[in-house]
Amino acid sequence: QVQLVESGGGVVQPGRSLRLSCTASGFSFSTYGMHWVRQAPGKGLEWVALIWYDGSNKNYADSVKGRFTVSRDNSKNTVYLQMNSLRVEDTAVYYCAGDYGTNSLVYWGQGTLLTVSS
Amino acid sequence: DIQMTQSPSSLSASVGDRVTITCRASQNIDIYLNWYQQKPGKAPKFLIYAASSLQSGVPSRFSGTGSGTDFTLTISSLQPEDLATYYCQQSHSTPLTFGGGTKVEIK
Repeated sequence: QVQLVESGGGVVQPGRSLRLSCTASGFSFSTYGMHWVRQAPGKGLEWVALIWYDGSNKNYADSVKGRFTVSRDNSKNTVYLQMNSLRVEDTAVYYCAGDYGTNSLVYWGQGTLLTVSS
Repeated sequence: DIQMTQSPSSLSASVGDRVTITCRASQNIDIYLNWYQQKPGKAPKFLIYAASSLQSGVPSRFSGTGSGTDFTLTISSLQPEDLATYYCQQSHSTPLTFGGGTKVEIK
């Protein structure tokens, strides 16, 4: 069955960096666009980033542009989110999600919690 | 950016009731509109795509309508397991944007 497993969350200080990973199984990962979506505690969903199936195109929310970088390794069925210059307001559960090319988030991971705090 | 506005932000209904949630886009998005269900403590689940197409495995009591700027999600007969927050999302263009969510509670 389809599985997306995020990892790498934790507690970090403002200004530091962290990399999240999301490993996929059960579907043809290399043909799917992959998104990161976050949800601050008690809040709604916020789209963060998209990487096309082949890594050739990437898009970011304005709130993370210049600080976050999305990448993927199709040989490992894994997508990454490198987060630099972290801010308190980046505190959220981060979900990865698979998209078969229509900007529809079909498959979701269980999420990983990032807490940015001094 | 396309803004998505959902209403109401919460509602309480009885089992068997018909429930309707609305979503409005700040500009014409044709039928590029998805709906998601998020149960407490869980990841979102993909329910409806292209405004009215039911994702495989989703119960037929869920339906979606609309095009352009105005959309609705209807639960024809509310069930206890439908306790959740529902989000609309425009798939027209990046940045993808979500509505603020509608929390559905069972009376």
